Amino acid sequence: EIVLTQSPATLSLSPGERATLSCRASQSVSSYLAWYQQKPGQAPRLLIYDTSNRATGIPARFSGSGSGTDFTLTISSLEPEDFAVYYCHQRSNWPLTFGQGTRLEIK
Amino acid sequence: QVTLRESGPALVKPTQTLTLTCTFSGFSLSTGGMCVSWIRQPPGKALEWLARIDWDDDKYYSTSLKTRLTISKDTSKNQVVLTMTNMDPVDTATYYCARIRSVPPGYFDYWGQGTLVTVSS
Repeated sequence: EIVLTQSPATLSLSPGERATLSCRASQSVSSYLAWYQQKPGQAPRLLIYDTSNRATGIPARFSGSGSGTDFTLTISSLEPEDFAVYYCHQRSNWPLTFGQGTRLEIK
Repeated sequence: QVTLRESGPALVKPTQTLTLTCTFSGFSLSTGGMCVSWIRQPPGKALEWLARIDWDDDKYYSTSLKTRLTISKDTSKNQVVLTMTNMDPVDTATYYCARIRSVPPGYFDYWGQGTLVTVSS
């Protein structure tokens, strides 16, 4: 099973700042990695798929990069609605797995 | 417009079998490339993928839970059913169903709102 390790566990930033979230896989997932955003009481929302492709309706301030085992989600300038929990997810190998999440909180 | 909705008991007793139903609209599981998965999330914890069923009836399960899970579909009713046997308090979680397509994006692009299942005697 591929383990996805996200860092940091919590990230405290202010609106307007740049956020960088990391996801490391225990073995290569090629480019088959996605990012989801989850707000309290809501289902996750797909942000980025296959490492760097924005899902439908996702603002351009969200971008993804990486390959193999190391991936990054970047939010270029934080908006108030961006403070949430973010999960990475791989579909390279069965079983599908998620990271443990990064909580992005307002500083 | 794609929608999914989970339904099932809010409370089950330890050792009982849980049956959850995902009722969806806006797509058909008889269409090539369509798939539905179940994912759960214990309170305050991370997401955990459970199972997936494909349009061609292929099925995939979590390695750690495969002996307890069964996923099935009723294409005529637009429903996917998940059963989980021998429930335990650690199975307390919000259970989500979500759609995947084999074409891009190829990930969970639509989710239900989730249903909280509590396991307690």
